[in-house]
Amino acid sequence: DVHLVESGGGLIQPGGSLRLSCAASGLTVTSHYMTWVRQAPGKRLEWVSVIYTGGATYYTASVKGRFTISRDTSKNTLDLQMNRLGPEDTAVYYCAGGPNVLYFDHWGQGLLVTVSS
Amino acid sequence: SYVLTQPPSVSVAPGETARITCGGNNIVSRSVHWYQQKPGQAPILIIYYDTKRTSGIPERFSGSSSGDTATLTVTRVAAGDEADYYCQVWDTSSDHPVVFGGGTTLTVL
Repeated sequence: DVHLVESGGGLIQPGGSLRLSCAASGLTVTSHYMTWVRQAPGKRLEWVSVIYTGGATYYTASVKGRFTISRDTSKNTLDLQMNRLGPEDTAVYYCAGGPNVLYFDHWGQGLLVTVSS
Repeated sequence: SYVLTQPPSVSVAPGETARITCGGNNIVSRSVHWYQQKPGQAPILIIYYDTKRTSGIPERFSGSSSGDTATLTVTRVAAGDEADYYCQVWDTSSDHPVVFGGGTTLTVL
């Protein structure tokens, strides 16, 4: 069985930084296409970032230059470093993975990030 | 970047058939994937490669694609099918490769 478990969320003041981590079991993060998707309260899914098996990374425009996606092969985790956070980043963040470039068949349970003073 | 358009909501009576559309330019040339998200839960993949059902998904759920529209069809709709449904494609030609539709809320009357 595959399990993805996010950690690192919480309440952070505007302008602050937070690092999310997604621990994977039953799946190797370097052999899957891994992504972060967020959902603001009452809103729809929004894709945030993806890292390909080869290491290429992509970001949605609103987080480019502020967020960094990475993998920790020793821990088999997917990480998201989030800097210069604003209220618009408040959301539940999901990590997800897929065996190829096209879709994501494994999802974490989600993690709430609240940016507020 | 590529845009996917879904109706915000679809309502059907129990036992009827729900059709949720996902519009995109020449979407038939892309693989479309569908996710179901129930309140308070993470999304789950239900249909991939346009028509393939994920293991454990009832045969009542099916997908199709033609021209500029992909469709998720749910037959014999039950109360437990109430959820948000999202289509998704991969746009390899842009730096925004993962594209979700805006989502459709299926309400069982």
